Amino acid sequence: ETGVTQTPRHLVMGMTNKKSLKCEQHLGHNAMYWYKQSAKKPLELMFVYNFKEQTENNSVPSRFSPECPNSSHLFLHLHTLQPEDSALYLCASSQGTSSVETQYFGPGTRLLVL
Amino acid sequence: AQSVTQPDIHITVSEGASLELRCNYSYGATPYLFWYVQSPGQGLQLLLKYFSGDTLVQGIKGFEAEFKRSQSSFNLRKPSVHWSDAAEYFCAVNTDKLIFGTGTRLQVFP
Repeated sequence: ETGVTQTPRHLVMGMTNKKSLKCEQHLGHNAMYWYKQSAKKPLELMFVYNFKEQTENNSVPSRFSPECPNSSHLFLHLHTLQPEDSALYLCASSQGTSSVETQYFGPGTRLLVL
Repeated sequence: AQSVTQPDIHITVSEGASLELRCNYSYGATPYLFWYVQSPGQGLQLLLKYFSGDTLVQGIKGFEAEFKRSQSSFNLRKPSVHWSDAAEYFCAVNTDKLIFGTGTRLQVFP
């Protein structure tokens, strides 16, 4: 599946580092999402962008900063993270944000914060 | 509040056996329901979805699911499991956002 790509696939960072996760979708979609997947917890929606505008911030700490320069690209900038932020971060896209839309997921970035 | 429950955390079946993964949802209106599969180290792949109409929906890889409004359920089934089906399976309901269950890990023995 190459519709949604994410880089890097794995990332190890210290608590004082700054890093960025990148997501790119090749499906011509208008909406993009960031999710956090932690062990033994349901996927947590973090951010939603529709036509480059942020439409949802699910009470995410400010150490996570999203950026959506265009409908095909989505970034998640990371700064001063905590060990509990270690997780799989999944990007998804869909044509729109209505309830009938199907979201297509990337392979994820496995993040480890030391 | 909307929610999705997958009662079985871990299921083990023999290859060739039938499979049913349970999913119950809580939502007042007509739900839009999805099943996704996640192989180790991978993202989520859509197996099938239900929006309306026929309550038995067919998906990829030989999977099907049946929507039962009276039971608030959307169970996933496969008549004969293959070793390659070993993965984690997520049920989800889309209201104004996609809400996932905690997943069921499927292990397949040869």
